[in-house]
Amino acid sequence: DGGITQSPKYLFRKEGQNVTLSCEQNLNHDAMYWYRQDPGQGLRLIYYSQIVNDFQKGDIAEGYSVSREKKESFPLTVTSAQKNPTAFYLCASRISQMNTEAFFGQGTRLTVV
Amino acid sequence: DAKTTQPPSMDCAEGRAANLPCNHSTISGNEYVYWYRQIHSQGPQYIIHGLKNNETNEMASLIITEDRKSSTLILPHATLRDTAVYYCIVRVLANFNKFYFGSGTKLNVKP
Repeated sequence: DGGITQSPKYLFRKEGQNVTLSCEQNLNHDAMYWYRQDPGQGLRLIYYSQIVNDFQKGDIAEGYSVSREKKESFPLTVTSAQKNPTAFYLCASRISQMNTEAFFGQGTRLTVV
Repeated sequence: DAKTTQPPSMDCAEGRAANLPCNHSTISGNEYVYWYRQIHSQGPQYIIHGLKNNETNEMASLIITEDRKSSTLILPHATLRDTAVYYCIVRVLANFNKFYFGSGTKLNVKP
């Protein structure tokens, strides 16, 4: 079945370590997005990519990095520079034309101890 | 970016219609209104979207006012499984596409 997959669902890391969250889609979507969600709050955009080998910073990109080497994959690295990395991370994808819906993965809950 | 305003929470009795309001007074003429919902600890799910006319699908109806400054999402017969946070989003029109999510409305469907 087509879809967008995030792995793992739960992730624990020690403070000061970099960690990479996986996001894969087989929907042939051009655009992919990473959001962060904190308890009781809406989603905030970290990075997005409209096309392979291109990506743009969102509202809260500091302390994060991404790559888009393949259309299907948009991994997010949470670096040690991110001051408050513990959060629920959501990946989404959509066709790059106007006004198409976005499909979301099931999220990765990252806990840094 | 057009901003949306939603009440933080609403209650609805099971089997009754749930009417979720959204204000988007700065919406521009070519921006669409989207609705998503998020059940606890899951990814958001697309519900419906519209530009000017009212829209209906198998999940919900979307009523947009004539001046487009507000809209209402209607779940005609709410069930306990409809308990979720509902996000009203206005699509940003630019060279890039971004979805801005606010805080949404927590809908509590009660038996």
